[in-house]
Amino acid sequence: GAVVSQHPSWVICKSGTSVKIECRSLDFQATTMFWYRQFPKQSLMLMATSNEGSKATYEQGVEKDKFLINHASLTLSTLTVTSAHPEDSSFYICSASVSGKNIQYFGAGTRLSVL
Amino acid sequence: AQSVTQLDSQVPVFEEAPVELRCNYSSSVSVYLFWYVQYPNQGLQLLLKYLSGSTLVKGINGFEAEFNKSQTSFHLRKPSVHISDTAEYFCAVTKGIQGAQKLVFGQGTRLTINP
Repeated sequence: GAVVSQHPSWVICKSGTSVKIECRSLDFQATTMFWYRQFPKQSLMLMATSNEGSKATYEQGVEKDKFLINHASLTLSTLTVTSAHPEDSSFYICSASVSGKNIQYFGAGTRLSVL
Repeated sequence: AQSVTQLDSQVPVFEEAPVELRCNYSSSVSVYLFWYVQYPNQGLQLLLKYLSGSTLVKGINGFEAEFNKSQTSFHLRKPSVHISDTAEYFCAVTKGIQGAQKLVFGQGTRLTINP
């Protein structure tokens, strides 16, 4: 139980294009999903908290217009990196909490490479 | 606010030896504590969690951890490691209340098992 699917696992794009990453909770409903960014050999940095049906809450220093988050249903949240640049290249990981619970289950991550 | 310190960035151990990965936290409120494991190019897998009750918690893959409130620690242990335990391990803390809360991660400990 508590499986989180993240897609794609790896994406390469040209500078200036937009990339969408999906995060799905497969066997549970997730009122809240989280998006993290991880640089090589570093820990996870929380980018934003996504609540179903409402606007995401972004952490300080994270550009909301660049990292668009949509949480349209209890099983799906998406992160769109708009006008991607090489410095946006990173490992992006989502997590989801079972509604009402304070335990996060993580997706397998998406490696984004911007050329 | 909560914070987590993982005292060792790297821990090399021989196969079948015991291992302890150290984690200390600080918080002005009660907490929930977690250990996650990350294999290369993958997301995080929940190893074990402390929410309440017994301070000794057992997780998957033979790992266990002990919550010590007076020392504000949550060290991870395994009596005999295997090559397959080679991975990055993250300690994390969140507010000890129900409902999804932000996770604060330590910097991670790279566990390397040598034959």
